[in-house]
Amino acid sequence: ILNVEQSPQSLHVQEGDSTNFTCSFPSSNFYALHWYRWETAKSPEALFVMTLNGDEKKKGRISATLNTKEGYSYLYIKGSQPEDSATYLCAFDSGTYKYIFGTGTRLKVLA
Amino acid sequence: GAVVSQHPSWVICKSGTSVKIECRSLDFQATTMFWYRQFPKQSLMLMATSNEGSKATYEQGVEKDKFLINHASLTLSTLTVTSAHPEDSSFYICSASDANYGYTFGSGTRLTVV
Repeated sequence: ILNVEQSPQSLHVQEGDSTNFTCSFPSSNFYALHWYRWETAKSPEALFVMTLNGDEKKKGRISATLNTKEGYSYLYIKGSQPEDSATYLCAFDSGTYKYIFGTGTRLKVLA
Repeated sequence: GAVVSQHPSWVICKSGTSVKIECRSLDFQATTMFWYRQFPKQSLMLMATSNEGSKATYEQGVEKDKFLINHASLTLSTLTVTSAHPEDSSFYICSASDANYGYTFGSGTRLTVV
């Protein structure tokens, strides 16, 4: 059974704190790992598409790393701001377009 | 934990026919369900928000007469693609919202219209 797990399920941080989340995924049949940022009732925003082992991508204060051999990806947020509050979703892509999504990490940044 | 069952996982249909996709929350009541569509190499795009017992709210550019959404109970929402055309071929995914579990996604439906 293919499973994608994200941890923690939710967290609260103070404004200015840095934080990180984990996405664990199957190490076989890997094609890509997607990270999404999803605010309530809005379209999930694609943050990163990670494809190569060792990839490190950055978008503003957010960055992500990828380890396909051990099956995990980290998402980092530096200096969290209230507008970063959202659910961060990862999705495992085996190349079939049938993504296996994690359940997300709900982040709340307290001002 | 919360589970959302989406069926079918894939479907192939002929142009002009209609296809119904079901999204069912198995162990919680979902007052709100969301339907998304994703074209290859693009992000999930919200199509509509389905509220139990009321009309769905469609995003701009989504034809409500083409994508019929019914949310008749707290555990079931359906999306019917009417008179499907090849350009409707896409990946459709639902998610259900609950106060305790937040957002839980179905596993998606790959629609191919030939």
